[in-house]
Amino acid sequence: KAGVTQTPRYLIKTRGQQVTLSCSPISGHRSVSWYQQTPGQGLQFLFEYFSETQRNKGNFPGRFSGRQFSNSRSEMNVSTLELGDSALYLCASSVGAGTYEQYFGPGTRLTVT
Amino acid sequence: QKEVEQNSGPLSVPEGAIASLNCTYSDRGSQSFFWYRQYSGKSPELIMFIYSNGDKEDGRFTAQLNKASQYVSLLIRDSQPSDSATYLCALVSGGYNKLIFGAGTRLAVHP
Repeated sequence: KAGVTQTPRYLIKTRGQQVTLSCSPISGHRSVSWYQQTPGQGLQFLFEYFSETQRNKGNFPGRFSGRQFSNSRSEMNVSTLELGDSALYLCASSVGAGTYEQYFGPGTRLTVT
Repeated sequence: QKEVEQNSGPLSVPEGAIASLNCTYSDRGSQSFFWYRQYSGKSPELIMFIYSNGDKEDGRFTAQLNKASQYVSLLIRDSQPSDSATYLCALVSGGYNKLIFGAGTRLAVHP
């Protein structure tokens, strides 16, 4: 069974721009969670989607948003990029109902200049 | 107080030894706990999960959970240089799939 895929793997953007990252979960998984990883803050939860509904949200500004499609694929968007948004963005998928095990994709490395 | 605390290490152990990694947490209501391994430049990989008090074994890995004392540990038997990585402890917070992670413990296994 194929794992979680994320595109693109690397991205360089300029301050003020916006970016969209994509995630395809493991086949059969209906929950997709997004995390940000930085050297200073570690791994932090952004939000989680299940059946196209956001069920949980972390403490990030409204510039960070996401959505999930009917095929469980998910996108996250960051608008008005700041230097501090440079990070590894990780997507994790899980079955979503009754179990909590999450499996991570390879991540998207975002650099904001 | 951080929700999940781990010693940042590095924890250095000789090849073949047992590596013991520890994690404490503050929320007494937490029920589900996870250990992830992350190699440098890679994404976290789920290696163990534990939901009940006691021990859970999988190959060379044993996870231990003590809810009364609010700690989780991971034992790696017969440590190999390939086990050298950062080990992240995580728990589910607030239901659904929100994982809270510790800062991770860096393990170095030397030949």
